[in-house]
Amino acid sequence: ETGVTQSPTHLIKTRGQQVTLRCSSQSGHNTVSWYQQALGQGPQFIFQYYREEENGRGNFPPRFSGLQFPNYSSELNVNALELDDSALYLCASSLYVGNEQFFGPGTRLTVL
Amino acid sequence: KQEVTQIPAALSVPEGENLVLNCSFTDSAIYNLQWFRQDPGKGLTSLLLIQSSQREQTSGRLNASLDKSSGRSTLYIAASQPGDSATYLCAAHNQAGTALIFGKGTTLSVSS
Repeated sequence: ETGVTQSPTHLIKTRGQQVTLRCSSQSGHNTVSWYQQALGQGPQFIFQYYREEENGRGNFPPRFSGLQFPNYSSELNVNALELDDSALYLCASSLYVGNEQFFGPGTRLTVL
Repeated sequence: KQEVTQIPAALSVPEGENLVLNCSFTDSAIYNLQWFRQDPGKGLTSLLLIQSSQREQTSGRLNASLDKSSGRSTLYIAASQPGDSATYLCAAHNQAGTALIFGKGTTLSVSS
């Protein structure tokens, strides 16, 4: 059974650019959540997708947006990148909403 | 607004010691509580999930307890090993079951 995978592993962008991060959920999991983890901090909830619909959102501006596809994989898009967006972006999947979340290895985004 | 606090922020112990990591949360209306391990620069590994109706969960040398009324959870690690060195994160699932609210973690170092 394949776990949660994320791509790319690392990414360097400049301020003002746009970025797309990708996540493949664990087999059979229909719920995907995205988190941002700054250095030395715990992860912060961005949003959750359940069966292709946004199912909850944290305190992040609209330039953070997402998608979930029919195979339950997901994308996180960030527009107009700012220096503070530099962080580890983590994707997690679960069998259903509220169930145990399993995390991928993350994407390290650096904004210069 | 749910806040999760972990004490201590860092802990150093010799190999073989039993230890307890503490987690407190401000809102007792949680869906469940999850403990994770994170190695430097990596994603999160789920250790234990405690449902809100449960008092404790055990997995190998790990035992986690939950006391919703006092807003506390503990992670007990028996017979610590150098391979246990990592950051341990506690996360409370909000009542809707959508978002995990994380503490900042306890960084554990076990010396041989």
